[in-house]
Amino acid sequence: GDSVTQMEGPVTLSEEAFLTINCTYTATGYPSLFWYVQYPGEGLQLLLKATKADDKGSNKGFEATYRKETTSFHLEKGSVQVSDSAVYFCALLNTGNQFYFGTGTSLTVIP
Amino acid sequence: KAGVTQTPRYLIKTRGQQVTLSCSPISGHRSVSWYQQTPGQGLQFLFEYFSETQRNKGNFPGRFSGRQFSNSRSEMNVSTLELGDSALYLCASSPAPMDSPLHFGNGTRLTVT
Repeated sequence: GDSVTQMEGPVTLSEEAFLTINCTYTATGYPSLFWYVQYPGEGLQLLLKATKADDKGSNKGFEATYRKETTSFHLEKGSVQVSDSAVYFCALLNTGNQFYFGTGTSLTVIP
Repeated sequence: KAGVTQTPRYLIKTRGQQVTLSCSPISGHRSVSWYQQTPGQGLQFLFEYFSETQRNKGNFPGRFSGRQFSNSRSEMNVSTLELGDSALYLCASSPAPMDSPLHFGNGTRLTVT
């Protein structure tokens, strides 16, 4: 069945460090891919998305590129801030209109 | 515009009891989906409702059920609670079925003792 596998956490980085959170997926057809973020005490919110191969989603300095050849959608940010501390979820929406989420990666950024 | 509202925020129940959770979607959103969030499993899809009809169901036992009312508000029910049902239950709404982005509520934290 369809699934999302993302990097285990927790991840701890110093401010201004480079961030990569790996995400790979298994799905038939051409799913849409998403990164959702959950800040402490808040609900999940959409960070970025890509709906077809080679699309790049970007928001708030975060980027992810839909790579069909490697079935990946890795999240990157060049310089993290303390305010980026949150849990990040990779997700796919398959052709059957069902969402699948990864297990989440907790990021802590220290000053 | 008010966000997705889930009530109650916290619940403590004992094994064998049943529980009902409520979700009020964003005004105008007609699709509501439910997820179970646990540390080891992440978010797992429970079911999705649109216009009072269940359109999709995840791989959960029949003890988990739900419904949607004509005003798009939704409830989920878990009967014969088990310890393993302890989790954060999240509700998300969207204007159309599984339309992106999903708007999530803050969840109901259920603890089963």
